[in-house]
Amino acid sequence: NAGVTQTPKFRVLKTGQSMTLLCAQDMNHEYMYWYRQDPGMGLRLIHYSVGEGTTAKGEVPDGYNVSRLKKQNFLLGLESAAPSQTSVYFCASSPPQILTSVQYFGPGTRLTVT
Amino acid sequence: GQQVMQIPQYQHVQEGEDFTTYCNSSTTLSNIQWYKQRPGGHPVFLIQLVKSGEVKKQKRLTFQFGEAKKNSSLHITATQTTDVGTYFCAGPTGANSKLTFGKGITLSVRP
Repeated sequence: NAGVTQTPKFRVLKTGQSMTLLCAQDMNHEYMYWYRQDPGMGLRLIHYSVGEGTTAKGEVPDGYNVSRLKKQNFLLGLESAAPSQTSVYFCASSPPQILTSVQYFGPGTRLTVT
Repeated sequence: GQQVMQIPQYQHVQEGEDFTTYCNSSTTLSNIQWYKQRPGGHPVFLIQLVKSGEVKKQKRLTFQFGEAKKNSSLHITATQTTDVGTYFCAGPTGANSKLTFGKGITLSVRP
């Protein structure tokens, strides 16, 4: 099993450009998450999904959109990139449990917006 | 909203020294998780604590959940250079397996 994979690993965008980050997991997990990590800020939840076809906002959703058309994939879109979106983006997945499940993280995408 | 706090954010130790860090929540937690992120890597799950006062060990790492389930500690005995990285604690936020992560503590070890 590959676990959680993310595409691309690195990307440089100019302000105003758009892009989509792809997250894929092969563990048949129901829940998937997108985080951003900035120096001194820890991990902040952008959006999450509790199942195919459903998405919800996290702590910092502005400027991002997501889609979960297939259970194994979770896409994060930036419609008009801004320098404030320069960050490392992590995708994670977890199985549903009564208590909080362990989250499995992908390797990350390092995005720079100039 | 719920906060999970880790202070300080950085700590430097000499190889062989012991290291302890703490995680504090503004609310009672049903469980707490610890993750480790190596430099340039991604967070990796280490342990989950569920019961009040629970203590779990992984080799040189000892994790404890407070009696009131509002704090947790990570203790590393005789640190090694392989312990370098950022350690995050995380507690559940509402439903749907969402976690609130602390800002993490970045540990550096001088050989």
